Amino acid sequence: EVQLVESGGRLVQPGGSLTLSCVASGFIFSDHYMDWVRQAPGKGLEWVGRTRNKANSHTTEYAASVKGRFTISRDDSKNSVYLQMNSLKTEDTAVYYCVGGIVGAFDYWGQGTLVSVSS
Amino acid sequence: QSVLTQPPSASGTPGQRVTISCSGSSSNIESNSVYWYQQLPGTAPKVLIYRDIRRPSGVPDRFSASKSGTSASLALNGLQSEDEAVYYCAAWDDSLSGRVFGGGTKLTVL
Repeated sequence: EVQLVESGGRLVQPGGSLTLSCVASGFIFSDHYMDWVRQAPGKGLEWVGRTRNKANSHTTEYAASVKGRFTISRDDSKNSVYLQMNSLKTEDTAVYYCVGGIVGAFDYWGQGTLVSVSS
Repeated sequence: QSVLTQPPSASGTPGQRVTISCSGSSSNIESNSVYWYQQLPGTAPKVLIYRDIRRPSGVPDRFSASKSGTSASLALNGLQSEDEAVYYCAAWDDSLSGRVFGGGTKLTVL
């Protein structure tokens, strides 16, 4: 059974930092790209960024709204992907989902972790 | 303002057929695979359609999709009360080097 379990979400002050983690099981993690997608309260889905698989050198891409503030990394030996978030703003408040996929195939989603940015 | 454009709402009665449109451009829908997701209240999105028209195992064949040029659509046949959810389209955008989503369509079963 495929599972993606996010953790690390909590209340943090504006300007603060936070790192989210996602542990995957049930599929060959190293073959998959891993995305982070977020959803602000009552809003739609917003792609945050991607780390590609080993065959694509683990290259990363980011949405313009987070570029320079967020960093995605992965550890294939631990079947894990991370989202380091710096200089957090109130508009970063959202549920953050971890998503794993292979180009041309369907993807897997975690249940999400809530990040609240507020003073 | 989402890169992919969906109607904010749709509705139908049980048993009816409903379609949801998704409009994009040459850099996303026309040149990359379209995905459709269903998000039930309080849950994570679930993939209904991938690679434009394909359904993962377990997704009822009441759900189907099509794509033509810069537009895509999702069709639900034989509408059921449990289909009440928000539906999102998504695709990779080559110009933005990122994944883009539609704003979501809230489907109400009357």
